[in-house]
Amino acid sequence: QSALTQPPSASGSPGQSVTISCTGTSSDVGGYNYVSWYQQRPGKAPKLMIYEVSYRPSGVPDRFSGSKSGNTASLTVSGLQAEDEADYYCSSYVGSNNLLFGGGTKLTVL
Amino acid sequence: QVQLQESGPGLVKPSETLSLTCAVSGYSINSGYYWGWIRQPPGKGLEWIGSIYHSGNIYYNPSLKSRVTISVDTSKNQFSLKLSSVTAADTAVFYCARVRYSYGYPIWFDPWGQGTLVTVSS
Repeated sequence: QSALTQPPSASGSPGQSVTISCTGTSSDVGGYNYVSWYQQRPGKAPKLMIYEVSYRPSGVPDRFSGSKSGNTASLTVSGLQAEDEADYYCSSYVGSNNLLFGGGTKLTVL
Repeated sequence: QVQLQESGPGLVKPSETLSLTCAVSGYSINSGYYWGWIRQPPGKGLEWIGSIYHSGNIYYNPSLKSRVTISVDTSKNQFSLKLSSVTAADTAVFYCARVRYSYGYPIWFDPWGQGTLVTVSS
């Protein structure tokens, strides 16, 4: 089963908003509200930023938000800050007790 | 505060079995979550390997199922991974994590251990 599709890169200037997409199919992203997003800084472990499409764990800034439309989920980072520069991965339940990650998006703060 | 720490050999020979352990602190492994393994080849994306409940219920990624064994030791509050018949393609950073399941579906990982690099080479 192929990974979920994410753009390899995204960028924005400090203070701007940027949206990263995660595209799957009706059997995974579109079929379940079980999309999560992870932030991974260089040399560090991933950190959960959004779960179940749009919920933020405690401690995650409200500048991070998640949504879904059809087979595509999105992570929006508002008011970009230098510390947001990282790789971002989506994941989704894909049926048959299986879970897939997206290929990752490198977010650059210009 | 839940913390996870992976440990095990950093170098494994081709065709041998990779073995890692994840020690959990600040949280009882019996307390209602699954516990899982995820790997990341250098410069590449993430791949879920499998998850285990304290009762021994296990889910594996179908693509790795034939080579993976995950076990739990509740007395030591830790769980383990074995990956057999490894090749260079199995070289990766291996992470352990607490896993949330909903109705039998794996849905998110939090927190993660710091990760440990395992290189497969002769």
